[in-house]
Amino acid sequence: ETGVTQSPTHLIKTRGQQVTLRCSSQSGHNTVSWYQQALGQGPQFIFQYYREEENGRGNFPPRFSGLQFPNYSSELNVNALELDDSALYLCASSRDRRYNSPLHFGNGTRLTVT
Amino acid sequence: GQQVMQIPQYQHVQEGEDFTTYCNSSTTLSNIQWYKQRPGGHPVFLIQLVKSGEVKKQKRLTFQFGEAKKNSSLHITATQTTDVGTYFCAGRGTNAGKSTFGDGTTLTVKP
Repeated sequence: ETGVTQSPTHLIKTRGQQVTLRCSSQSGHNTVSWYQQALGQGPQFIFQYYREEENGRGNFPPRFSGLQFPNYSSELNVNALELDDSALYLCASSRDRRYNSPLHFGNGTRLTVT
Repeated sequence: GQQVMQIPQYQHVQEGEDFTTYCNSSTTLSNIQWYKQRPGGHPVFLIQLVKSGEVKKQKRLTFQFGEAKKNSSLHITATQTTDVGTYFCAGRGTNAGKSTFGDGTTLTVKP
């Protein structure tokens, strides 16, 4: 069983730039959620994708956007990067879109904005 | 909005001692999940509790869901160095929607 994979593992960007993070879901999982984890804090829900459509969104501005592809992989795009966007970005797949489905996290992408 | 708080933020124990972390929600929960994140790693799902007063055990770990479904606890008996990490609870409100993660309790174990 292939787990959740994310790329890249680390990224350094400058304020104002744009970034795209990628995620491949675990085999058999059709739902992908994205989380932002700041240092010393719990994961904060950004949004969830199911069948290529956004299926719930947290308290994040529109410059955070995403995509899900037919093979259930997903992208997180962040425009106009701000210093506070520096964090670990976690992708989690689940067997279905119910919010009580256990989340299977990838190793994350560490984004640093300077 | 829904808030989930965990205490303590940090816990340092001697190997063999017990450890407990508590999770409290500002609203009634439909379920609660527990995750463990090792240093430098990602959260790993441990368990889900759904019923009022539910108690589940996994070897040395005991999970409880409060009668009012607003709090939960994780107790580890006789800690080992492999228990090191941050333990998160994630609670889902009764109005459906996403789960909210607490900020975790970081456990360190001194051999």
